[in-house]
Amino acid sequence: GIQVEQSPPDLILQEGANSTLRCNFSDSVNNLQWFHQNPWGQLINLFYIPSGTKQNGRLSATTVATERYSLLYISSSQTTDSGVYFCAVASVGGATNKLIFGTGTLLAVQP
Amino acid sequence: DVKVTQSSRYLVKRTGEKVFLECVQDMDHENMFWYRQDPGLGLRLIYFSYDVKMKEKGDIPEGYSVSREKKERFSLILESASTNQTSMYLCASTSGTSYNEQFFGPGTRLTVL
Repeated sequence: GIQVEQSPPDLILQEGANSTLRCNFSDSVNNLQWFHQNPWGQLINLFYIPSGTKQNGRLSATTVATERYSLLYISSSQTTDSGVYFCAVASVGGATNKLIFGTGTLLAVQP
Repeated sequence: DVKVTQSSRYLVKRTGEKVFLECVQDMDHENMFWYRQDPGLGLRLIYFSYDVKMKEKGDIPEGYSVSREKKERFSLILESASTNQTSMYLCASTSGTSYNEQFFGPGTRLTVL
């Protein structure tokens, strides 16, 4: 099945810094989503982005489907950005809603 | 806003007990999912459902069953709980349209003693 790799596994930032999280996937996808899991365990969908670029406030994401990777940019980080960021994909030919998750990037933003 | 709720935030059960985890969504979504989350493994799909009374196995269905008698409710059943089923369980739903954003519940942290 499709493999999803996220990097880095852990990241520590000072408040105000910028960061880039990467998601590589091993096959063509028809669905790619980025999620943020807060320290209390709640997962929030950040982006649905199987291709192209989207922005939402300080967050933006780019997926280059032909090269099988996606990037999540966090600018001017805040302590509330702390948590785990997951990339999840569904492979072409499979069920669009059947997501395969990466193992996540644990982000800690220090004041 | 979509709301996905789960019946318990924390649950402690004994080995061999039958365990029910309930999930309810209020946005008339067709698709519902059960995942478990373990350290270092991310989220893994246990079962999903595309419609009432329909279910499909995910990647790790062994030891679990599900029930979907009503569109808004999706139940995960551990017929005989074992210690290796100690985990965080997350329910999600999505509308099944071309925009497939998944919405998650708050999770149930299950401990099996």
